[in-house]
Amino acid sequence: DTEVTQTPKHLVMGMTNKKSLKCEQHMGHRAMYWYKQKAKKPPELMFVYSYEKLSINESVPSRFSPECPNSSLLNLHLHALQPEDSALYLCASSQRGFGTMNTGELFFGEGSRLTVL
Amino acid sequence: ILNVEQSPQSLHVQEGDSTNFTCSFPSSNFYALHWYRWETAKSPEALFVMTLNGDEKKKGRISATLNTKEGYSYLYIKGSQPEDSATYLCAFATSSNAGGTSYGKLTFGQGTILTVHP
Repeated sequence: DTEVTQTPKHLVMGMTNKKSLKCEQHMGHRAMYWYKQKAKKPPELMFVYSYEKLSINESVPSRFSPECPNSSLLNLHLHALQPEDSALYLCASSQRGFGTMNTGELFFGEGSRLTVL
Repeated sequence: ILNVEQSPQSLHVQEGDSTNFTCSFPSSNFYALHWYRWETAKSPEALFVMTLNGDEKKKGRISATLNTKEGYSYLYIKGSQPEDSATYLCAFATSSNAGGTSYGKLTFGQGTILTVHP
């Protein structure tokens, strides 16, 4: 299984809603990532988990709350989002832990397209 | 803030044409350069991870070269096919923690959108 699975594929939410994005991989990868991509812009790193611990938070607003319940799962909890948070949210994983001599490729999911009304 | 620039932004070619595009990145504190292919409605897929100056990698009709001293990488596609139509992203990883970045963190370019017409 070489897949990273993201659910849901599409999500529409109001500014007062609470929702979650989920990401799953069963490749035994030790690092997992959340990226945000807005139209015609490069993917921007939000969070990195390495060995189930938060390694990087790229000064992301607290209305985005990541969670790594185990080595295979990564969640992104969403609360009180703004319309400008509408974007494609990509999850990725890599074999080795982040910050080690890790030149390994990222394995991406297909993304969750989020629309905030 | 690291700058990773890709050119051109978009490219239209005919089936059978060969094409190439460029990724420019900072020439200092180089760690790795990644290339990804991203087809519409699919997930980005790694093509190459390059770490050594002068490195040249090949996968089928696609190849890439790396010049870390001058800070650029070229991606070549020989005999383009319609199925090569995709966005090609490069991403640079620095070996330095300077400038607020983190060792090994990837900074992506904006991508080159390739359309191959039958």
